[in-house]
Amino acid sequence: DTGVSQNPRHKITKRGQNVTFRCDPISEHNRLYWYRQTLGQGPEFLTYFQNEAQLEKSRLLSDRFSAERPKGSFSTLEIQRTEQGDSAMYLCASSLDPGLAEKFFGPGTRLTVL
Amino acid sequence: GQQVMQIPQYQHVQEGEDFTTYCNSSTTLSNIQWYKQRPGGHPVFLIQLVKSGEVKKQKRLTFQFGEAKKNSSLHITATQTTDVGTYFCAGGSSNTGKLIFGQGTTLQVKP
Repeated sequence: DTGVSQNPRHKITKRGQNVTFRCDPISEHNRLYWYRQTLGQGPEFLTYFQNEAQLEKSRLLSDRFSAERPKGSFSTLEIQRTEQGDSAMYLCASSLDPGLAEKFFGPGTRLTVL
Repeated sequence: GQQVMQIPQYQHVQEGEDFTTYCNSSTTLSNIQWYKQRPGGHPVFLIQLVKSGEVKKQKRLTFQFGEAKKNSSLHITATQTTDVGTYFCAGGSSNTGKLIFGQGTTLQVKP
């Protein structure tokens, strides 16, 4: 399968715990995006990378959220000290340059914070 | 900041009826992309519009981009049960590729 993959697909955690999600983009795609989607809403932009450089972070992204893409391939999104309000689907998408290119979304990681 | 609004939120139609969803942006868009998300699935790219007044067709789907590049619409002719899902418009940045999504329109089709 050459699409975008995300792991884990589901994560249940207790409030206050740290969680980390992984995204493997399509191999030749140099742009990688993280979005968050809650029920009944459209995906909400969190951050994006061009190769290994993190070029933009949403103002909605608190200091508890951090993302990396160390070698310009896979990316990780970590949430520290999770809160119930963090419960959502976390989607990863990748694309080619330029910015106008279509985005290929992964299946998402559904986070439930108890 | 930029906001993208989409209406209606829900639409129930009888199979064979037409369907339209409308998208409006608070600012002029570089481009607009449309995605479809099936229940339990992830967004899948449908099309991108870049030029003012652009109209594109994909079989029974017709996409339009407004002259002022601040609004767009998706029209489905003679809906089928396979059209069920949520349709999102998303305003794009030509520099970053970041997308600002609307809330989506969920289409239900009764056979």
